Formats: sequence, structure tokens, C-alpha cells
Amino acid sequence: EVQLVESGGGLEQPGRSLRLSCAASGFSFSSYEMNWVRQAPGKGLEWVSYISSSGSSLYYADSVKGRFTISRDNAKNSLYLQMNSLRGEDTAVYYCARTAYGSSWYYFDYWGQGTLVTVSS
Amino acid sequence: QLVLTQSPSASASLGASVKLTCTLSSGHSSYAIAWHQQQPEKGPRYLMKLNSDGSHNKGDGIPDRFSGSISGAERYLTISSLQSEDEADYYCQTWGTGIQVFGGGTKLTVL
Repeated sequence: EVQLVESGGGLEQPGRSLRLSCAASGFSFSSYEMNWVRQAPGKGLEWVSYISSSGSSLYYADSVKGRFTISRDNAKNSLYLQMNSLRGEDTAVYYCARTAYGSSWYYFDYWGQGTLVTVSS
Repeated sequence: QLVLTQSPSASASLGASVKLTCTLSSGHSSYAIAWHQQQPEKGPRYLMKLNSDGSHNKGDGIPDRFSGSISGAERYLTISSLQSEDEADYYCQTWGTGIQVFGGGTKLTVL
């Protein structure tokens, strides 16, 4: 069974940093592209970042470019999101999502349950 | 610009059918999309990929009550024999190199 379990969320002050993790199991993690998607309270889904299966290709939404860094450790079946210079508008539930096999840019076929990040002083 | 447009809300009675719509922006009518369901307080769940020829590929365990269809730039999700657990937010998704796009979501109320 495919499982994606996020952790690392919490309350952090503006300007500070936070690192999210996503533990993957039930599939060959190193074969899949992965993503972070967020959802602000009461709002819709917003794609945040993408990483290729090898970790060599990275993409970011304009709203986080230069502040967030996506990475992965295929030996540990884990995905990460380093969030620096946090802002109030980064407050959201953050989900990791697997890109379906077949293309680097494709739909998401599995999602985690999310971890809440609250940025407030 | 690649944009997906969804109606904010929809409602239908228990046991009835409902058709949700996701519209692709001008110039993108050949794009495939995916549908996702988000029940209250849960993470999203992949329902199906809807191809530009109208064929669809469902996720694991998705009931036959869920089906997809297309007409031009419009992509539909039809849910038949509505059950209480179908009350949820439904999002469409599309993609291109370097970009992932979600529609604003449709909140479905089962009466």
C-alpha cells in the first residue's frame, strides 16, 4: 500500500525557517517524481514545488522561489521541503504528492494527509 | 495562460446524480486533466485521469459511480447514486512542463 506521511509542521514566526519531511512507503520511491502542494485555510490547492526522481531537476512556484528548497533522499525514501524567510501567507496545510508514473510532468496519483504550518508572531 | 475554472458549489440529493465541470482556458482544450476528491479534514484523493479523447483511468478502489467525460474544453466528473460520503470538495488538475495547475474547487453538498 502506497503511503505518504508528512511531518515537521508547526507554529513559526515570520522570517524564521521550518523543514518539512515526507516519509514514503509501499512503492519504489526512487522511481517517482514528487511534489509539495499546499492549501491555505479555507482555500484551494496550490502547487509549491517539484523534484525529479533523481533529484537533479527542481521547480518552484513563483510564490516560494528563492525561499523554499525541495530535496529528497532516495536511500531513506524521504522527501523534504526547507522553508526559509517564512511569511504569513505561507500558512497552510502542506501535502506531499506523488507524480504518476509515465511522465515527468503528470497528474498526482497519491497524496499524504498533510502537515499544518502556521506562520505568526 | 493555463487556467482551470470550476464552479464554487454544487448540490444534489442523496441517490441522485451530479455532473461537475472543469473548463480549460482558451488554447488548451486538448489537455488532459485529473480529478481529485477532498473529504472534510482529509488530504486529497486521486479519482481519475481524464484524457482528451474522453477515456479515463481511475485510481485504486474508485467506485464505478464515478465517471468522466469531455466536451470541447470542458471536462466533467459525474457521480451517480450519490452517497453521503461524496460530500466533499472536488478539484481538477492539469499540467505542463514546469507547471501544475489546479482549479479553484467545487464544494459538493449532498442534500
